[in-house]
Formats: sequence, structure tokens, C-alpha cells
Amino acid sequence: DGGITQSPKYLFRKEGQNVTLSCEQNLNHDAMYWYRQDPGQGLRLIYYSQIVNDFQKGDIAEGYSVSREKKESFPLTVTSAQKNPTAFYLCASSATPGGTNEKLFFGSGTQLSVL
Amino acid sequence: QKEVEQDPGPLSVPEGAIVSLNCTYSNSAFQYFMWYRQYSRKGPELLMYTYSSGNKEDGRFTAQVDKSSKYISLFIRDSQPSDSATYLCAMSEIYNQGGKLIFGQGTELSVKP
Repeated sequence: DGGITQSPKYLFRKEGQNVTLSCEQNLNHDAMYWYRQDPGQGLRLIYYSQIVNDFQKGDIAEGYSVSREKKESFPLTVTSAQKNPTAFYLCASSATPGGTNEKLFFGSGTQLSVL
Repeated sequence: QKEVEQDPGPLSVPEGAIVSLNCTYSNSAFQYFMWYRQYSRKGPELLMYTYSSGNKEDGRFTAQVDKSSKYISLFIRDSQPSDSATYLCAMSEIYNQGGKLIFGQGTELSVKP
């Protein structure tokens, strides 16, 4: 089945530690996104990538980093500089940015908590 | 003031009720309007997609856009317990700005049998 796979489902971070969230898609989509979801705040964009080897900062990129070495993969690293990392992280993809019916497909999310 | 405001609820209704979910926005340049449904601890899924003003119907769901009032609504007829979820509105200025999709805070809906 085509879709977006996020792993792990739950992740715990110790103070000062960097952690990496995985996102893989087999939909052959060009664009991929990372969102953060906090209770009562909806989804906020962290980073997005419209093509391999290129990505742009979203609204809350500080303390996060990404890479896009392969079309299928868009891992997110939460660095120690992110002081409030506890949140639900969602990865999404879309077929072609600029399409007339652009639709975001989301993964099932990763819940990150601080120990 | 946030660009998109959505009543977070929670909203609790009996099975069979008509549900109205609403968002207001401040950016008059928004052209594309979407409603996503998110079950607990899952990723959102697209329910409805409309362009500019007007109504769109899909089964028990109707999306309305009133650009003059900067107000969008999602109506659910004959609500079912399986409709219990968080509903997120989202909007963007132009179609090729996937990175610029703005989401509301989400409304948590519970439909009681």
C-alpha cells in the first residue's frame, strides 16, 4: 500500500540530546513537509522540501534540521537547541507543488517527549 | 491576532445531529480552503477542498466559504459516532504554496450514540 511511514511512534529525549524522526513515503511525491502539533495550536510548519537536495524553513525552524538526500525520505532532527521539543510531529507529502488540486497526505505521527 | 481562528471545542452532540464547524480568517488573499479530519493520535486526512466562495457537498458533508465575511463552515448531517475526531480547517493564498498552508487550531467533536 502506498503511504507515508513515520517512525518511531513514540520517542523520548534526554536533555542535551539530538534525536532524529524518520519519514519515508512511497507515493512518488516531490514535496515533503514537517509539522509540529501542540494542543490548542493546530499545525505549525517546521521545514518543507519541494525537490531533492533542497529545503526551506517554515515558521518554527529554530532548533530543528532536515535533509533531503532521497525523494522518498525526509528525516527531521530535533537538536538540543530546541528547548521545548515535547509535541506531536507530523510528516506530510504532496504530489506536485503548484498542482490545481494539491492534497497533503500525512503520516501517523511521532510523539516526542522529554525525559 | 492569528490568521485563522477556530473554536477548539470540545463539541459534544447526540448521534443524528447536524454539526456546524467554523473558522474565521483575516487574510483576504486566501483562495483555497480545506477541511481535514484527524482521529486521535493519527495524521489528518483531507475531507473537503474548495476554491474561492460557494458551497461543496460530498455525502453527509457540506463545505461553505463566504469570502466577504472571511468565514468558512463545515456541516455534517446525520452525525455518527465514527465522526468523532478533531476537525482542522486550512487555507492558502495560491495553489502552489503547499509550504504556506495555514491551519486552524482544530475543533474536537464527540458524537454520542
